[in-house]
Amino acid sequence: SAVISQKPSRDICQRGTSLTIQCQVDSQVTMMFWYRQQPGQSLTLIATANQGSEATYESGFVIDKFPISRPNLTFSTLTVSNMSPEDSSIYLCVGGGQEKLFFGSGTQLSVL
Amino acid sequence: AQSVAQPEDQVNVAEGNPLTVKCTYSVSGNPYLFWYVQYPNRGLQFLLKYITGDNLVKGSYGFEAEFNKSQTSFHLKKPSALVSDSALYFCAVRDMGNFNKFYFGSGTKLNVKP
Repeated sequence: SAVISQKPSRDICQRGTSLTIQCQVDSQVTMMFWYRQQPGQSLTLIATANQGSEATYESGFVIDKFPISRPNLTFSTLTVSNMSPEDSSIYLCVGGGQEKLFFGSGTQLSVL
Repeated sequence: AQSVAQPEDQVNVAEGNPLTVKCTYSVSGNPYLFWYVQYPNRGLQFLLKYITGDNLVKGSYGFEAEFNKSQTSFHLKKPSALVSDSALYFCAVRDMGNFNKFYFGSGTKLNVKP
């Protein structure tokens, strides 16, 4: 099983500020994704992190709000910008192998 | 469009009894189906998958799932539940148009009581 390390594990932030989440994966992973898991809801794909180029965003998510970097194969960051209470959620870094996904333990974000 | 549905928010079962967690899917073409489990304060873990072949798929921790094409279902089962099976279970389908994308169900909380 691949190892996905994500930090911070949780944070409490003020409205209007930004938070950057870091993710490190091991070499078994070829793809990197960012998901959001809102309270009581399913997982939603935010974007696919592409190495050395702009991320591919899903409908409803934009780069200005969720800038993503992936400078190399095994590292990516997600920034949640200009936060509001609606951004309170668990943000998950996910690695894609040949047939299945590998999940980090997530970042639980609370916005006051 | 691909989608999965988990009709039960919660399933309660006594330890030692069989358990079933339901999942139905909607895809165009042949589905790639998955079950993941999320234990408290842990990341999701892969349980099992169906790609092709035998309709009964065996996975981790004694779980199995039955693919039923006519009913478009992929129910998760275990013959004898353990208290330690209590967790949140997610069914997922892979997007055949965008192979990187998975669609997840809303999750079913399994409670196994001693």
